[in-house]
Amino acid sequence: GAVVSQHPSWVICKSGTSVKIECRSLDFQATTMFWYRQFPKQSLMLMATSNEGSKATYEQGVEKDKFLINHASLTLSTLTVTSAHPEDSSFYICSARPPGTGGRQPQHFGDGTRLSIL
Amino acid sequence: SQELEQSPQSLIVQEGKNLTINCTSSKTLYGLYWYKQKYGEGLIFLMMLQKGGEEKSHEKITAKLDEKKQQSSLHITASQPSHAGIYLCGADMRGSNYKLTFGKGTLLTVNP
Repeated sequence: GAVVSQHPSWVICKSGTSVKIECRSLDFQATTMFWYRQFPKQSLMLMATSNEGSKATYEQGVEKDKFLINHASLTLSTLTVTSAHPEDSSFYICSARPPGTGGRQPQHFGDGTRLSIL
Repeated sequence: SQELEQSPQSLIVQEGKNLTINCTSSKTLYGLYWYKQKYGEGLIFLMMLQKGGEEKSHEKITAKLDEKKQQSSLHITASQPSHAGIYLCGADMRGSNYKLTFGKGTLLTVNP
């Protein structure tokens, strides 16, 4: 159980293009999903918390207009990197947390999306 | 300084040897989560610890949380090449609103 699917796994596109990444919880409903960014040999950096039916909460330093998050249903959150530039190239990972007492259930992660902007 | 310190940064062991990875928090933890990651892939959930003094085991991996709930260790017994990867601890800290802070990870290499 607790499977999270992330798509696509790899994207290569030209500078200026907008890219959408999907994160789906396959066998549970997730009121909260998280989006992370990971640089080579670095840990995960939380970008934003995606809340179903409301606006995402962004971490300090993350541009809301650059990284658009939509959590339209209890099983789907999307991250759109708008007008992507080479510096946006990175590994993006989403996670979803199953409902549970006090919210302290483990986050389950997708397989990540490697984004390369030329 | 980092809120969550993980050590060592990397570890190379011979197959069959035991090893320990540590994770230390500057704050009291509500929960401590251990994950394994293969390079370029997602994180696989290993174990969750929430109570002081708690210890959990799965196959050859044992994780402990100290009584003060600020330090955790992950111990692998009789390591195998399949244990190789990056181990990350994630901490649910007081006041974090359920967000996790991750350590920098430990790269484990197991030589056959």
